Amino acid sequence: SQELEQSPQSLIVQEGKNLTINCTSSKTLYGLYWYKQKYGEGLIFLMMLQKGGEEKSHEKITAKLDEKKQQSSLHITASQPSHAGIYLCGATPPGSNYQLIWGAGTKLIIKP
Amino acid sequence: KAGVTQTPRYLIKTRGQQVTLSCSPISGHRSVSWYQQTPGQGLQFLFEYFSETQRNKGNFPGRFSGRQFSNSRSEMNVSTLELGDSALYLCASSSNSGTRVNTEAFFGQGTRLTVV
Repeated sequence: SQELEQSPQSLIVQEGKNLTINCTSSKTLYGLYWYKQKYGEGLIFLMMLQKGGEEKSHEKITAKLDEKKQQSSLHITASQPSHAGIYLCGATPPGSNYQLIWGAGTKLIIKP
Repeated sequence: KAGVTQTPRYLIKTRGQQVTLSCSPISGHRSVSWYQQTPGQGLQFLFEYFSETQRNKGNFPGRFSGRQFSNSRSEMNVSTLELGDSALYLCASSSNSGTRVNTEAFFGQGTRLTVV
């Protein structure tokens, strides 16, 4: 079965600094999703990547999917307190429709 | 457009009881998925419904069931509650109708279930 591994598990970053979160799959990704979650609340959609080499940006967040479609990175530039939360990557597993599997999440803390 | 609405937000139940959680998707969305989130297991897929039909089911015991109504609203039911069922239950809706999840899913705020 396909698994998603996120790294690091947690991250403490000084406000204003850049950071990167990684999501690695054991199999080819056919759709990779990044979501953000505030503790105990619902998930907020950030970005969806489908093609190898694809890169998308929204405000200060950039997500990339590598050419082999087995690894994605989420990069935040000039971090702000509003970026704090848990970042989750999700993907559609091959042969299993209509569901997403998830990484364990990366907890991001921004130090003022 | 109103977002995904889950009710109730919080629930405390006793072992052995049953519980029903409700999810109202975004207007026009016909796909509704349910997920369980726990600190130990993370986010795990429960089931997905589209036009009142369950299209996929995760690896959960038969105590977990769901249904979808003609207006796309969905309910999930857990019978004979166990302590391990304590979790955040999340519902997501999407406009996806194809064979793969190819559109973003919009999540509700979740229902926090505590079993004592």
